[in-house]
Amino acid sequence: QVTLRESGPALVKPTQTLTLTCTFSGFSLSTAGMCVSWVRQPPGKALEWLALIDWDDDKFYSSSLMTRLTISKAASKDQVVLTMTDMDPLDTATYYCARTYYHRKFDPWGQGILVTVSS
Amino acid sequence: EIVLTQSPDTLSLSPGETATLSCRASQYISSYLAWYQQKPGQSPRLLVYDASNRATGIPARFSGSGSGTDFTLTISSLEPEDFAVYYCQERSTWPPAVTFGQGTRLDIK
Repeated sequence: QVTLRESGPALVKPTQTLTLTCTFSGFSLSTAGMCVSWVRQPPGKALEWLALIDWDDDKFYSSSLMTRLTISKAASKDQVVLTMTDMDPLDTATYYCARTYYHRKFDPWGQGILVTVSS
Repeated sequence: EIVLTQSPDTLSLSPGETATLSCRASQYISSYLAWYQQKPGQSPRLLVYDASNRATGIPARFSGSGSGTDFTLTISSLEPEDFAVYYCQERSTWPPAVTFGQGTRLDIK
């Protein structure tokens, strides 16, 4: 069974850096085709793709946010970390990680973590 | 950058009816299109990938079609649990990126 779980702070202050961890099980990020993505969703709004890391350690970012994002594999092989710098109240959202197959399908998704940006 | 436009924004139907949801891409995307269902307070769930392939465990009343720039998700004989928000998603090869549509809300009439 494949599962993913997001963890990190629920509240960050403006200008701070957000660090989120996706802990997964049931698949290997070393297997060809396997990727992990981050997607966010502001309250009441649509999904927005942020970043993806693939089995070959290639990294891809949203063009509108790429200067603020870094995605990486953690030392433990079952975690992916996303950092987002210079947080703003507009970044308040639920952040999801999802297993992604060949960049084409996101399945399954983690439960999401609500991050609020406020002073 | 590719833009996905979903229509309508909201669709109001009754159980038993057929829902037809549209997703239009601003550029040719072959068949690299997926559909997701999201219920309130839940994570999105993959329904269809590569335009017409149902994901594991998805009922046969969900079907996807289309290629190129125009895609459709059809939900036949709506069940009460089908009322949710639906998103389409594409993957572009250059620049490498992923885009989601703005969503279609399917409401009970």
